[in-house]
Amino acid sequence: GAVVSQHPSWVICKSGTSVKIECRSLDFQATTMFWYRQFPKQSLMLMATSNEGSKATYEQGVEKDKFLINHASLTLSTLTVTSAHPEDSSFYICSAEQQSSGANVLTFGAGSRLTVL
Amino acid sequence: GEDVEQSLFLSVREGDSSVINCTYTDSSSTYLYWYKQEPGAGLQLLTYIFSNMDMKQDQRLTVLLNKKDKHLSLRIADTQTGDSAIYFCAERRTGGFKTIFGAGTRLFVKA
Repeated sequence: GAVVSQHPSWVICKSGTSVKIECRSLDFQATTMFWYRQFPKQSLMLMATSNEGSKATYEQGVEKDKFLINHASLTLSTLTVTSAHPEDSSFYICSAEQQSSGANVLTFGAGSRLTVL
Repeated sequence: GEDVEQSLFLSVREGDSSVINCTYTDSSSTYLYWYKQEPGAGLQLLTYIFSNMDMKQDQRLTVLLNKKDKHLSLRIADTQTGDSAIYFCAERRTGGFKTIFGAGTRLFVKA
């Protein structure tokens, strides 16, 4: 089945540094990937839609200069949290959409837990 | 409103059936999904239903859709301790082609 690999699975960084998270579709091409953020015991909040070869589409309230998304190839999207602060600590999950028996389904990465000290 | 709503907790005994309910908002949503999340992991697609169907069964899972009321349910038969997880309901909206998730229902299965 479809596999989405997300790396790193966890990262601890100092306040003010930038962190890059990679999301790769391993056995299929994904023109569209999605980045979600999950707070403890809460739902997934869609941050942005990553489109291969074009600019990402950000949801309302998500700072595009803070969360840089690059989708340079059909199998890779990256999320860079710039100048991270403790309030950016969260679980970030990417997903890629593909067709399965006529339905659009999301395959998720395992998530990346970011802790900003 | 904008939200997909679910109850937050459900506790059942091993061997019983679990029913997790969800209400969604967009009547034009084409697909509705159930995802499962185990601790510290990403989401795993359990099943989905197309909006013109009212029921789908897949082994121990039964999905019921009431499109008039915008109500979706997931029934897990013979619930096992390994079913303990968070279950997310999601709708795929035609506007923007985004998948929007509910807050998740945490299922506890007591042995």
